[in-house]
Amino acid sequence: AQSVAQPEDQVNVAEGNPLTVKCTYSVSGNPYLFWYVQYPNRGLQFLLKYITGDNLVKGSYGFEAEFNKSQTSFHLKKPSALVSDSALYFCAAKVSGNTPLVFGKGTRLSVIA
Amino acid sequence: GAVVSQHPSRVICKSGTSVKIECRSLDFQATTMFWYRQFPKQSLMLMATSNEGSKATYEQGVEKDKFLINHASLTLSTLTVTSAHPEDSSFYICSAMHGATDTQYFGPGTRLTVL
Repeated sequence: AQSVAQPEDQVNVAEGNPLTVKCTYSVSGNPYLFWYVQYPNRGLQFLLKYITGDNLVKGSYGFEAEFNKSQTSFHLKKPSALVSDSALYFCAAKVSGNTPLVFGKGTRLSVIA
Repeated sequence: GAVVSQHPSRVICKSGTSVKIECRSLDFQATTMFWYRQFPKQSLMLMATSNEGSKATYEQGVEKDKFLINHASLTLSTLTVTSAHPEDSSFYICSAMHGATDTQYFGPGTRLTVL
């Protein structure tokens, strides 16, 4: 069975510091990997994805993520956190095509001024 | 581009009534849409996969007669919660598959409260 793990329920970081939100996956075959952000009482906003190509992918709002096949990880990073980055972040994976995404449980990021 | 809308954003209904939620892809066609349910402080739970012109595929444990899904066009899928009960109160989120980019885009969600 395919699964996505986000080992941290909560990540706290000071504004201006770099942030990392961790994600590991277990997917048969070549994974399609995604990061989404959710603000309170809202749907999910797409941040970035990895399907193929460069392992380092850049997305919206200055976020980036690195695909590491040997460690089966896809950690989300940002060099300098903003207070407005505070939200719930979901990592997701699928195999291909129109298959549903498998989501991690989410990580709440809190950026403190 | 790749915008998905949901209507209504919030609905309160009495127990026993039915509620319809619409999900629209505004600037792309989506042969496949998905319906999720999210409980407070939890992740998204996939309810069903909706394919245009065919029957939806429901996840295990989701009652197809209670959660009716219709995907009549390439830009619209509807979820009808029939004979709603208080335990159906939840945040329902749809997503549409953007085929050209292989990415799911999500609607803003619908908060359903059943009294």
